[in-house]
Amino acid sequence: AQSVTQLGSHVSVSEGALVLLRCNYSSSVPPYLFWYVQYPNQGLQLLLKYTTGATLVKGINGFEAEFKKSETSFHLTKPSAHMSDAAEYFCAVSTSGGSYIPTFGRGTSLIVHP
Amino acid sequence: NAGVTQTPKFHILKIGQSMTLQCTQDMNHNYMYWYRQDPGMGLKLIYYSVGAGITDKGEVPNGYNVSRSTTEDFPLRLELAAPSQTSVYFCASRGGRPDNLLFGPGTRLTVL
Repeated sequence: AQSVTQLGSHVSVSEGALVLLRCNYSSSVPPYLFWYVQYPNQGLQLLLKYTTGATLVKGINGFEAEFKKSETSFHLTKPSAHMSDAAEYFCAVSTSGGSYIPTFGRGTSLIVHP
Repeated sequence: NAGVTQTPKFHILKIGQSMTLQCTQDMNHNYMYWYRQDPGMGLKLIYYSVGAGITDKGEVPNGYNVSRSTTEDFPLRLELAAPSQTSVYFCASRGGRPDNLLFGPGTRLTVL
């Protein structure tokens, strides 16, 4: 079985501060890992994904994430938060054991203060 | 490409009524999914399809039905609507195994 845990339903940062959103997964087989962003009243859109190869993955809007197998983690970071980053962020995992059907975490709401 | 389109955007349904949420994609994707999103609960899979004529239940299928007669369309049917089905419904599709999902804009449904 596969699962995802996102630590913290809300994360609050000041504009210009480091953004760190945590994601841990559970899987007995190699995972594909994704981060999606959802702006208010919109659908989800892909920020970045890890499938194979380089463990540090860069995405849109200056975000990046590192796949750490030993820690079963895929945390999302951005060096400097911008007001426009305020949104809901979802981590997701898919594996061969789960027929490649994505399982989503509960989401983390990022709040950016001026 | 229009991507994944969903209709309607909003709807209010009375308890016991039925309706169909429409989903269409124009990318020739085999895999399509229906999720519901409730506050603080993430996305829960309702039904999915791996190709025309093939559908299967997800985590929360009760009260819903689907069909997939064409590659493009994957409608979700709500029978005998209940207040617990008040939610935001997202349709998504993907092309291959490592691919990410492409989401539609969602349907916000209220059952009163």
